Amino acid sequence: SQKIEQNSEALNIQEGKTATLTCNYTNYSPAYLQWYRQDPGRGPVFLLLIRENEKEKRKERLKVTFDTTLKQSLFHITASQPADSATYLCAPGDDKIIFGKGTRLHILP
Amino acid sequence: NAGVTQTPKFQVLKTGQSMTLQCAQDMNHNSMYWYRQDPGMGLRLIYYSASEGTTDKGEVPNGYNVSRLNKREFSLRLESAAPSQTSVYFCASRSVALVYEQFFGPGTRLTVL
Repeated sequence: SQKIEQNSEALNIQEGKTATLTCNYTNYSPAYLQWYRQDPGRGPVFLLLIRENEKEKRKERLKVTFDTTLKQSLFHITASQPADSATYLCAPGDDKIIFGKGTRLHILP
Repeated sequence: NAGVTQTPKFQVLKTGQSMTLQCAQDMNHNSMYWYRQDPGMGLRLIYYSASEGTTDKGEVPNGYNVSRLNKREFSLRLESAAPSQTSVYFCASRSVALVYEQFFGPGTRLTVL
């Protein structure tokens, strides 16, 4: 069955540093992979989508890579800020999107 | 635009009771989804509807039924609630034009005693 793994349950990063989150998936080959942010008590909010034929996508301080050979995506936040603290969800998939369990990111001031 | 709205925000049920969670979107989206989110389990897809008049099972459909009433509304029904259905339920919608970006509602916190 399809499986998604996101690195560690929580990640602590010092303010100003780059945070890197990992998403690995197995047993399928999605044409797209998305990243969402979720704050406590709220629904997820879309951040970025990357297609299988794209190696890298950027949006402001965010960067996503997509390696279809390794079946892995990396999500980077540069110059991290305390306001970036949240849970980040990886979601490979097409019409039927499957979400990873998420990584809780804490940016320490 | 209100986006995706869900009612109720909170609900407490006794085992065996039934209820319907309501979801509506005003963005003219074709696809709608129901997820549940449990601590340590992440978001799991219950049912989805790719277009008006169609519904399909997701990862965890047992114990649930859905109705795509029209393009705007997608309801989730628990016929006989069980404590294992205690969870936060999220509805989401997607436009084909916005290639796979999903918009989520604020969620319904359901407790089954």
